[in-house]
Amino acid sequence: AQSVTQLDSHVSVSEGTPVLLRCNYSSSYSPSLFWYVQHPNKGLQLLLKYTSAATLVKGINGFEAEFKKSETSFHLTKPSAHMSDAAEYFCVVTAQTGANNLFFGTGTRLTVIP
Amino acid sequence: EAQVTQNPRYLITVTGKKLTVTCSQNMNHEYMSWYRQDPGLGLRQIYYSMNVEVTDKGDVPEGYKVSRKEKRNFPLILESPSPNQTSLYFCASSFLINTEAFFGQGTRLTVV
Repeated sequence: AQSVTQLDSHVSVSEGTPVLLRCNYSSSYSPSLFWYVQHPNKGLQLLLKYTSAATLVKGINGFEAEFKKSETSFHLTKPSAHMSDAAEYFCVVTAQTGANNLFFGTGTRLTVIP
Repeated sequence: EAQVTQNPRYLITVTGKKLTVTCSQNMNHEYMSWYRQDPGLGLRQIYYSMNVEVTDKGDVPEGYKVSRKEKRNFPLILESPSPNQTSLYFCASSFLINTEAFFGQGTRLTVV
């Protein structure tokens, strides 16, 4: 079975400081992992994805995430927060085999303080 | 432009009045699905379709129906909406079942 736990429902950072959004997963198979971002009144946009290639994945807008199998984690980071990063972020896991679908975490709302 | 289009974006309806939310994608994707988003619960899958005429239940299918008569379209049908179906709904499509999904802009449904 697959599941995702986003460890923080809300993260607040100052503009220009690092961002860390934490995600732990559980998967019966070798997982594919994604981070999506949702800006207010918008749909979900893919930030980055891990599909068993390089463990450090670079995404759009300066975000990156590291797949750590031993820790079953896929934390999202960014060196310097920008006001436009304020949004809700979802960690998502799926299986690479089997009739499965996307399993979403409950989301982390990122607030960026000027 | 590659996109998933949902309509309507906003809908207020009364209990028991049948409604349909349309979803269309122009990427020739095999896999399509519907999600509902509720505060504190993330996105939960309602139904999915692996191809034309192939649909199956997701995690929260009660009170919903879907159909997939054409590859590009995947409408969500609420035969008798109830207030607990007030939510934000997203349609998504992907090339394969376990690849990245492309999402529509969402439909905010209120049932009074």
